[in-house]
Amino acid sequence: AQSVTQLDSQVPVFEEAPVELRCNYSSSVSVYLFWYVQYPNQGLQLLLKYLSGSTLVKGINGFEAEFNKSQTSFHLRKPSVHISDTAEYFCAVSENSGYALNFGKGTSLLVTP
Amino acid sequence: EPEVTQTPSHQVTQMGQEVILRCVPISNHLYFYWYRQILGQKVEFLVSFYNNEISEKSEIFDDQFSVERPDGSNFTLKIRSTKLEDSAMYFCASSEDHNSPLHFGNGTRLTVT
Repeated sequence: AQSVTQLDSQVPVFEEAPVELRCNYSSSVSVYLFWYVQYPNQGLQLLLKYLSGSTLVKGINGFEAEFNKSQTSFHLRKPSVHISDTAEYFCAVSENSGYALNFGKGTSLLVTP
Repeated sequence: EPEVTQTPSHQVTQMGQEVILRCVPISNHLYFYWYRQILGQKVEFLVSFYNNEISEKSEIFDDQFSVERPDGSNFTLKIRSTKLEDSAMYFCASSEDHNSPLHFGNGTRLTVT
């Protein structure tokens, strides 16, 4: 069975500072990894995904994530955040690249001036 | 950009009543999903649907739940006799094929009183 752990429930950060949102997973098989973002009163939007190939994945809005198989991690990073990045961020894992996503509990990113 | 649309945005119902949540997936997508998020908890997979039948479902998706694609555009989730614990945000999603990422709607907030 898979599980996803997002170690931080809330991450406060100042505008233009770098940020890292942590995600660890466990699975007995190869997995596909995703980060989704949820802005207030909106649905989940795909930020980036790792299916195979390069372990450094670039997504939308300047975010990137690195798949580390030995550490079973898929941390999300951005070198300089904006106020508009304030949102809930969800890490998810799947044994298929599509359905039955298993989500983490989410990390609330709060960017302040 | 095409998007998944869900109606209504907020549904209030009394315990024991039937409720139908509606979704219009992206038109060329073939796989459809329902997820839910109880307040303060993680997003949970309910069911996936392909070729007019359920392809996978979670333990949450018991006999009280059903899904249907009544025509070429809508995808519905029915809860036969709602319970207080069914109160949650319900997200519909669709994907082009099972190797493509999911596109989520903005959700329907269901409140059972």
